[in-house]
Amino acid sequence: AQSVAQPEDQVNVAEGNPLTVKCTYSVSGNPYLFWYVQYPNRGLQFLLKYITGDNLVKGSYGFEAEFNKSQTSFHLKKPSALVSDSALYFCAVNLDTGRRALTFGSGTRLQVQP
Amino acid sequence: NAGVTQTPKFRVLKTGQSMTLLCAQDMNHEYMYWYRQDPGMGLRLIHYSVGEGTTAKGEVPDGYNVSRLKKQNFLLGLESAAPSQTSVYFCASSIPTRDRGTLRTEAFFGQGTRLTVV
Repeated sequence: AQSVAQPEDQVNVAEGNPLTVKCTYSVSGNPYLFWYVQYPNRGLQFLLKYITGDNLVKGSYGFEAEFNKSQTSFHLKKPSALVSDSALYFCAVNLDTGRRALTFGSGTRLQVQP
Repeated sequence: NAGVTQTPKFRVLKTGQSMTLLCAQDMNHEYMYWYRQDPGMGLRLIHYSVGEGTTAKGEVPDGYNVSRLKKQNFLLGLESAAPSQTSVYFCASSIPTRDRGTLRTEAFFGQGTRLTVV
């Protein structure tokens, strides 16, 4: 079985401040981890992924995520938030074998205030 | 480069009516998926397909049927719509490929279909 938890429904941050969106996962094998972003009335856009290798993954729009195996976490981060980063963010997990569909978290709404 | 295209974008159905949502991808992807998105619940997998002519159930398959007669198309059918099926439906496709030693498995999503059942 595989599952993802995003403990925060909403994260509020001021423009220019660093942001963190939290994600923890549970899988019975080696995880593939993803972050997607959804802007209003749009589909999901891929931000970044962790497959293997470096624990710090860099993605689109200045986002990065840190894989922590001991804490089973994959938090999304950005050093300086922009108002345009305001959107709904989804963490997702897949195993390296077997099930081929992503399991998503419930989503976290990021609100960046000017 | 169209990517993943869903039709229609919006639809209102009466309880008991039927309809089919169409998903088309032009990336020659093997895998295709149908998800539904509900507030506070993220995306939940309805059905998926790992190749032409094959389908499998996801987490919430009841009330839905699917078909993958052509590799590029994945159809989602509602035989008798219920208000509980009011949701936003997303289609996605993916293919695992090796890119300079890295396995690429990210899914590509359509723009979504907003369905309301009254």
